[in-house]
Amino acid sequence: GAGVSQSPRYKVAKRGQDVALRCDPISGHVSLFWYQQALGQGPEFLTYFQNEAQLDKSGLPSDRFFAERPEGSVSTLKIQRTQQEDSAVYLCASSLGVGALEQYFGPGTRLTVT
Amino acid sequence: KNEVEQSPQNLTAQEGEFITINCSYSVGISALHWLQQHPGGGIVSLFMLSSGKKKHGRLIATINIQEKHSSLHITASHPRDSAVYICAAVPNTGTASKLTFGTGTRLQVTL
Repeated sequence: GAGVSQSPRYKVAKRGQDVALRCDPISGHVSLFWYQQALGQGPEFLTYFQNEAQLDKSGLPSDRFFAERPEGSVSTLKIQRTQQEDSAVYLCASSLGVGALEQYFGPGTRLTVT
Repeated sequence: KNEVEQSPQNLTAQEGEFITINCSYSVGISALHWLQQHPGGGIVSLFMLSSGKKKHGRLIATINIQEKHSSLHITASHPRDSAVYICAAVPNTGTASKLTFGTGTRLQVTL
């Protein structure tokens, strides 16, 4: 079966541009997570959805970051007015049940802000 | 101080060597993941464990809850094992959804 997919895989944006990153979780997975991974670092939690409800957005670094999952499946992470420090790999993961157990990761979107 | 610490940060081994990667954490957890990340970013979950030991092929993961320590062992290492290995803790306080990651151990296995 299909795993978690993300698009685009690579994105180059000029500073100040808005970007939208898409995550398609495994069908039927209730939980969806976004993580940010800076170069040479481990991933860091951004936000968590249970179905369409965003239950935790404490990791979003600023109000330029916005995530949604309107129908409880596909999710979009939007970054407005991108800055160079936003350059990172953005990882999406999903899990079948509630919470973080047994997460399945997508390939990530590498964002470079120039 | 990070809540999840890994050692070593970098590791070079010759093919066939036994490898150990360590993970210590300072928070109470309900589970701990070991993840493998290849160049290009894709992450594969190797193990999720909350007690004892798990084995899959040449990979073994152990966890000691009292000591807040986990290890990942690779027996008979092979160049295809070259990757970044990351441990990630599921804290048992607050939102159960969060994973807290270590910074990873970059493993290079040479012929």
